[in-house]
Amino acid sequence: DQQVKQNSPSLSVQEGRISILNCDYTNSMFDYFLWYKKYPAEGPTFLISISSIKDKNEDGRFTVFLNKSAKHLSLHIVPSQPGDSAVYFCAASGAGGTSYGKLTFGQGTILTVHP
Amino acid sequence: GAVVSQHPSRVICKSGTSVKIECRSLDFQATTMFWYRQFPKQSLMLMATSNEGSKATYEQGVEKDKFLINHASLTLSTLTVTSAHPEDSSFYICSARDLLGREAFFGQGTRLTVV
Repeated sequence: DQQVKQNSPSLSVQEGRISILNCDYTNSMFDYFLWYKKYPAEGPTFLISISSIKDKNEDGRFTVFLNKSAKHLSLHIVPSQPGDSAVYFCAASGAGGTSYGKLTFGQGTILTVHP
Repeated sequence: GAVVSQHPSRVICKSGTSVKIECRSLDFQATTMFWYRQFPKQSLMLMATSNEGSKATYEQGVEKDKFLINHASLTLSTLTVTSAHPEDSSFYICSARDLLGREAFFGQGTRLTVV
């Protein structure tokens, strides 16, 4: 049962354009969502997060949008840079102290930014 | 962000032997750490939650006698893969959460190869 889904295995974008990575979830108990960037043979690097009480969070070139009614979130990267090329994972966690930090991950989307 | 250090980054061991992986939070205290496993081109799957001073909580399907977890201090958790088999070969990653936040920070990962 895949509770967090990233339906696009890969995305290719031109440098300077916008990258939009999508994520859907099914568990309504999730109340905190995170995006991580990962290179092969390395641990994930935290990018940005959003609480379910918000619908948008912005940090530099990265913006995460949350649509609770649709159980959908997206990560926008603008402008995209070749250094952004990596695997991006969407993750979610539930409420309650014991659930903090316990993440359910999507399958990941490989982003390639072409110069 | 907070720093989590994982060691070793790579290990090769013979079938039947045991391997210990360490996960340290370097600049914060972590009462809870998490161990994940990633198969090639797949998502990160939570194996267990490591609780300081108490027993770990294992996810369904994870053998607690095979994957021994010890969280002896607020900055160190260890995962020991016992009687390793080739099918245990994988990428193991730990994470820890800063007590004040909900973001989880990951170690660099350990590539385990059992021959």
